[in-house]
Amino acid sequence: QKEVEQNSGPLSVPEGAIASLNCTYSDRGSQSFFWYRQYSGKSPELIMFIYSNGDKEDGRFTAQLNKASQYVSLLIRDSQPSDSATYLCASRTGGGNKLTFGTGTQLKVEL
Amino acid sequence: GAVVSQHPSWVICKSGTSVKIECRSLDFQATTMFWYRQFPKQSLMLMATSNEGSKATYEQGVEKDKFLINHASLTLSTLTVTSAHPEDSSFYICSAAAGVGSPLHFGNGTRLTVT
Repeated sequence: QKEVEQNSGPLSVPEGAIASLNCTYSDRGSQSFFWYRQYSGKSPELIMFIYSNGDKEDGRFTAQLNKASQYVSLLIRDSQPSDSATYLCASRTGGGNKLTFGTGTQLKVEL
Repeated sequence: GAVVSQHPSWVICKSGTSVKIECRSLDFQATTMFWYRQFPKQSLMLMATSNEGSKATYEQGVEKDKFLINHASLTLSTLTVTSAHPEDSSFYICSAAAGVGSPLHFGNGTRLTVT
């Protein structure tokens, strides 16, 4: 059973719109959550991480965490074609650094 | 900060040979590093956890005798693919965190092609 679930997409949004990426997790012991962006043929790069319920904003990105509902989301405002990539959601349980990744959502920002 | 360097970025080898991939943490020490493999259009698959000074912890289904991991220092872990076969062709990526609870940062990955 997958512990971190994401819709594979592709999610298509027009340039300038808000892209909303969602992720659910099954392990209630998960304590922290991460969003990575991965361009085709490249390795993942960290976008944001969130530990507490609520919103966390960083530039055009906002991460949202709702532990009661076990979901995490990433909002990208003013989407640009350069945002087109696969976005990976990951959770961490316990005190170590091991992450469980979802399968990723492909985002396409169209001109 | 938290830069992870991986080398080589790509390698082509013949079937039956061995290939070593290096992963270095450049500006921090990492007692633990993680090795992932990714096939085209698929998600990351954790292969093993590399532990400095001790044996690596392999995920279920990963052959420890085929994928040799050595973590001899706090800044270097190596993955050796032994007796490589075409089905081992994949994108191998390492990652590390600057401290317990810190976000993982990834190396640039190594694209292995076995002919």
